[in-house]
Amino acid sequence: DSGVTQTPKHLITATGQRVTLRCSPRSGDLSVYWYQQSLDQGLQFLIQYYNGEERAKGNILERFSAQQFPDLHSELNLSSLELGDSALYFCASSVSGDTEAFFGQGTRLTVV
Amino acid sequence: GENVEQHPSTLSVQEGDSAVIKCTYSDSASNYFPWYKQELGKRPQLIIDIRSNVGEKKDQRIAVTLNKTAKHFSLHITETQPEDSAVYFCAASKPPGTYKYIFGTGTRLKVLA
Repeated sequence: DSGVTQTPKHLITATGQRVTLRCSPRSGDLSVYWYQQSLDQGLQFLIQYYNGEERAKGNILERFSAQQFPDLHSELNLSSLELGDSALYFCASSVSGDTEAFFGQGTRLTVV
Repeated sequence: GENVEQHPSTLSVQEGDSAVIKCTYSDSASNYFPWYKQELGKRPQLIIDIRSNVGEKKDQRIAVTLNKTAKHFSLHITETQPEDSAVYFCAASKPPGTYKYIFGTGTRLKVLA
């Protein structure tokens, strides 16, 4: 167990819908990262927060947004879902940007 | 912008042989270079890391080397075993202030028994 908790584990939804993925980082970790992993693909960096502030953005679609709350948990919101958004979404946390990142178990999103 | 290239994308070796995976980073300010192993259906997990003030680090059958001048770093696995079969990702990260944690595209390693 990495100490990073992601919910839900699985999510099946229809095209056009909106979903929220939740991540609770390890105790003491201030950095939270979100990644998208499509089938047999790499880890695409979406966005990163540090202590409540957005610090870095990757190739995140405008339909996607995220935030980190005062208690440091983070949510990734995906709207107007398309079939191509089906993927495994990982959250990771670390103490700072240049230390080990601990990954959650991921949320598998299936858009039908 | 920051970029990490990783080669090869797939690698097959016989059990007992060595495997080498190479990464190149673009941002010279990067100072932390971890390697993650992702087994099928599981989360990526750190296996070894190196900082820019060190040229080489070893942990049993795994070693990482860093060439800052060429902006290359490599993962070496010796005496490979079937349980080493997985996808391996390299990453490069920068000091506080920028925080981007960029991964390479991954290498699928198959160790043939």
